[in-house]
Amino acid sequence: QLVLTQSPSASASLGASVKLTCSLSSGHSNYAIAWHQQQAEKGPRYLMKLNSDGSHSRGDGIPDRFSGSSSGAERYLTISSLQSEDEADYYCQAWNTGIRVFGGGTKLTVL
Amino acid sequence: QVQLVESGGGLVKPGGSLRLSCAASGFILSDYYMGWIRQGPGKGLEWLSYISRGGTTPYYADSVKGRFTISRDNTKNSLFLQMNSLRVEDTAVYYCAREVGAMFVDYWGQGALVTVSS
Repeated sequence: QLVLTQSPSASASLGASVKLTCSLSSGHSNYAIAWHQQQAEKGPRYLMKLNSDGSHSRGDGIPDRFSGSSSGAERYLTISSLQSEDEADYYCQAWNTGIRVFGGGTKLTVL
Repeated sequence: QVQLVESGGGLVKPGGSLRLSCAASGFILSDYYMGWIRQGPGKGLEWLSYISRGGTTPYYADSVKGRFTISRDNTKNSLFLQMNSLRVEDTAVYYCAREVGAMFVDYWGQGALVTVSS
């Protein structure tokens, strides 16, 4: 069963960097994922597709402060030079024929 | 630019029905798989359904299978979600979404609120 696991919360200081993690369930370590951002009271926004080899492609208008990397079944989203508007919920998404799955989301607080 | 605009949300009693619509613009609808995702109050994102480019192949999450029906009219640039036998736990913001490569969402609508309450 395809399952994505995310830590419920994370925090980092303004101007610093933070690395969020999305873990794929056993047997799915070669899957690509997508990252989405949801700011408070807004709809989600697509950030990037992240492949198992760490290559990634950002969505339209997404700054290069947002980057992705992979290691085994772990998929990472790194946000550098944190800004106040980066405070948001971050969701990972995976897919297979007939199913789409979202992680539980990580709430990022910018201190 | 790509735009997805949902409509049709509102208040409905348990057991009732509602039909959501999503108006797509800025791209050729028939080139993309489309889907619906919802978010309950204070909760995370829950995938509900997606449909193939021609509308012949729909898929559903177990939570809505048999109650919700996804459809599309490419000639009218529209996606639909017919929701029947609604339950209190279906209360959520419902998002229309475009999928790229029949894989992941690359554009989201602004959402439509559905409240199921007596």
